[in-house]
Amino acid sequence: GQQVMQIPQYQHVQEGEDFTTYCNSSTTLSNIQWYKQRPGGHPVFLIQLVKSGEVKKQKRLTFQFGEAKKNSSLHITATQTTDVGTYFCASSTWAGTALIFGKGTTLSVSS
Amino acid sequence: NAGVTQTPKFRVLKTGQSMTLLCAQDMNHEYMYWYRQDPGMGLRLIHYSVGEGTTAKGEVPDGYNVSRLKKQNFLLGLESAAPSQTSVYFCASNARPALWGTEAFFGQGTRLTVV
Repeated sequence: GQQVMQIPQYQHVQEGEDFTTYCNSSTTLSNIQWYKQRPGGHPVFLIQLVKSGEVKKQKRLTFQFGEAKKNSSLHITATQTTDVGTYFCASSTWAGTALIFGKGTTLSVSS
Repeated sequence: NAGVTQTPKFRVLKTGQSMTLLCAQDMNHEYMYWYRQDPGMGLRLIHYSVGEGTTAKGEVPDGYNVSRLKKQNFLLGLESAAPSQTSVYFCASNARPALWGTEAFFGQGTRLTVV
């Protein structure tokens, strides 16, 4: 079945450093969504990308969708301790009815 | 504004016992999902439903059953719990199919331990 592969699995940074997580698929994706899960919490929707080459920004977060719609990235500029958590990418599969998630990237930030 | 509510939040079961996890949403969403989350494995889809009275298998359906008798409720059953089913279970709902790219809303999760 369709899978989205996410790397790295873990990333530790010093506060103020940048962070990037990547999501890759062997097949063309109709769209890609990004979620954040704080420690002990539940996944919360961040954004959705639909168009080839699309770039969206949310304050210090930049989201990109590849030209071939097979990969995506989330970049955080100047990380803060509030950025700690696990970031998931997700896309549709199962005839388009369900969301399939990558394994996530867990970000830790030390001050 | 409750959103998606899961009960219970915590549960300890003995091997072989059965239980039902309840998910309720008040957003009139058609699509509902059950995921399990294990360390290093991300969120894996167990079963899902595209509307009242429908259910379908996801990535890891074995050992689980589901029912969607009412639109707002999605039940996940474990008939004979096994230690491998120790996990955090999340329910989610969506207004439209994932292909159309709409936000999924998650419940707070149920932490289940099978001993």
